[in-house]
Amino acid sequence: GDSVTQTEGLVTVTEGLPVKLNCTYQTTYLTIAFFWYVQYLNEAPQVLLRSSTDNKRTEHQGFHATLHKSSSSFHLQKSSAQLSDSALYYCALSGNTRKLIFGLGTTLQVQP
Amino acid sequence: EAAVTQSPRNKVTVTGGNVTLSCRQTNSHNYMYWYRQDTGHGLRLIHYSYGAGNLQIGDVPDGYKATRTTQEDFFLLLELASPSQTSLYFCASSEGTGVYEQYFGPGTRLTVL
Repeated sequence: GDSVTQTEGLVTVTEGLPVKLNCTYQTTYLTIAFFWYVQYLNEAPQVLLRSSTDNKRTEHQGFHATLHKSSSSFHLQKSSAQLSDSALYYCALSGNTRKLIFGLGTTLQVQP
Repeated sequence: EAAVTQSPRNKVTVTGGNVTLSCRQTNSHNYMYWYRQDTGHGLRLIHYSYGAGNLQIGDVPDGYKATRTTQEDFFLLLELASPSQTSLYFCASSEGTGVYEQYFGPGTRLTVL
């Protein structure tokens, strides 16, 4: 079946260093869109990035991601992590059905 | 920006109790969703709807009923609550599917004793 895999449950990084959160997927859908949602402590999830174009970089709030259909990936990256980036991050796939398929989430901890 | 509200924000009930969680969105979105969030399981879809009177079964529907009374209002019903339903519940809405994002409400924390 269709699925989204986030391999790390927890990523810890030192402030100012680069960070990468992995997201891979399996799908039978022909037309797909991808999202990264971020959830800060005691808040609701909200969209951070979205993309539906292969090999096109999308950026927001210093984060960037590129959808690579050849490798079935949509990794999230930032060149310099900030303390305020500490949060739970979800990768999600939208296909031809009316629902999103979420990964299990990756908690990012940025330490001083 | 989409506005999704949920009530109550916190609820404590006993095993076997009857609970209704409410969700309202004020952006004329067609699609509404109920999720539960649990550590280690992420966000799991319970029920969803693409219009008033419509109901679709999600991925973890057992023990839950839902009803979409209007375009704005979507309710989640737990008629015989169990401790396994202790969770953080989110409602979300979206204009459509595909490239349309889902807007989440603030969540309801439910504890079943």
